[in-house]
Amino acid sequence: DGGITQSPKYLFRKEGQNVTLSCEQNLNHDAMYWYRQDPGQGLRLIYYSQIVNDFQKGDIAEGYSVSREKKESFPLTVTSAQKNPTAFYLCASRKGWNTEAFFGQGTRLTVV
Amino acid sequence: GESVGLHLPTLSVQEGDNSIINCAYSNSASDYFIWYKQESGKGPQFIIDIRSNMDKRQGQRVTVLLNKTVKHLSLQIAATQPGDSAVYFCAENNRGDRGSTLGRLYFGRGTQLTVWP
Repeated sequence: DGGITQSPKYLFRKEGQNVTLSCEQNLNHDAMYWYRQDPGQGLRLIYYSQIVNDFQKGDIAEGYSVSREKKESFPLTVTSAQKNPTAFYLCASRKGWNTEAFFGQGTRLTVV
Repeated sequence: GESVGLHLPTLSVQEGDNSIINCAYSNSASDYFIWYKQESGKGPQFIIDIRSNMDKRQGQRVTVLLNKTVKHLSLQIAATQPGDSAVYFCAENNRGDRGSTLGRLYFGRGTQLTVWP
């Protein structure tokens, strides 16, 4: 089935470590997005990419990095520079400007 | 800051009643709007969308109304069921200054809908 897959579902990180969250889609969508969600809050945009080998910072890009080497994949690295990384991370993809974004099931990252 | 917000953070309704969830947006250049439903611990699911050249769109048990004059969006759920209990988000599409073809999606804080039997 076509869809967007995030892994892992739960991730624990020690302070000072970098971690990478995976996001893969087989929907043939050009655009992919990473959002962060904190309890009781909306979704805040971290990074987005509209085409392979190109991406733009969102509203809260500090402490995060991304790559878009393949159309299907848009991994997010949470670096040690991110001061408060514990959150629920959501990846999404969409085909065009007038189409909905499809979301993965999220990765819950906890710093221990 | 966020350009999309919601009037009410929580809404409680009785099963069978109609629900109305409101959303205000501030960017008059936004051209496409989406409503999502998010259950606890899961990713948002698409409910319905509307383009800026429309003022109403209906789906199964749901209707979205768009009032561009006052920059207001609403989601109406008919005959609300316990399975409708979730957080509802509106999102707006803004192509941005670069004239990008896809643009960014901005989300509001969400409204927690609770349906009582």
